[in-house]
Amino acid sequence: ILNVEQSPQSLHVQEGDSTNFTCSFPSSNFYALHWYRWETAKSPEALFVMTLNGDEKKKGRISATLNTKEGYSYLYIKGSQPEDSATYLCALYSGNTGKLIFGQGTTLQVKP
Amino acid sequence: DVKVTQSSRYLVKRTGEKVFLECVQDMDHENMFWYRQDPGLGLRLIYFSYDVKMKEKGDIPEGYSVSREKKERFSLILESASTNQTSMYLCASSPPTYEQYFGPGTRLTVT
Repeated sequence: ILNVEQSPQSLHVQEGDSTNFTCSFPSSNFYALHWYRWETAKSPEALFVMTLNGDEKKKGRISATLNTKEGYSYLYIKGSQPEDSATYLCALYSGNTGKLIFGQGTTLQVKP
Repeated sequence: DVKVTQSSRYLVKRTGEKVFLECVQDMDHENMFWYRQDPGLGLRLIYFSYDVKMKEKGDIPEGYSVSREKKERFSLILESASTNQTSMYLCASSPPTYEQYFGPGTRLTVT
């Protein structure tokens, strides 16, 4: 069974702090890496879909990098705001199964 | 705008009851998925379907079944609900290989 690990499990930061968290995955059978943001009482929403080694994606203050050779992706949030508070999920798409395998998530709490 | 809807946001059922959770998507997506989310465990795949009448077991199919009679609708069935099936259930849909679009979730409590 493929395993996707995220760290840390939870994070508390002050408004204005920059933060980052990690998603680790087996580098074999890689097809794509997805990042989702899941705010309380809402549906998970896709942030990024990354496919190429060395990919960097950016959406506003949030960016992500991908290293498929060593099997990790980083998500960065610059100048965290309270509205960034959410659980951030990464998921591996291995292609040969058609399924996404999710990590357990990193829950971010940004205090004003 | 993409839309995935689930029949209920909150549901309370008794042990032994048969429970139906419905999911409908309006994007003509081939793939549909049912997950459950439990604290510290992330999203775990129960079943998925890549076409009408086609289904595949996910990682935790025991105690569940599914039905996909029409492309837009994917139903999750708990044949005989048990307390360990108390959880948040999320439905998602996607075209092949692309990001998944999630419904709002159903929080099921089995007493």
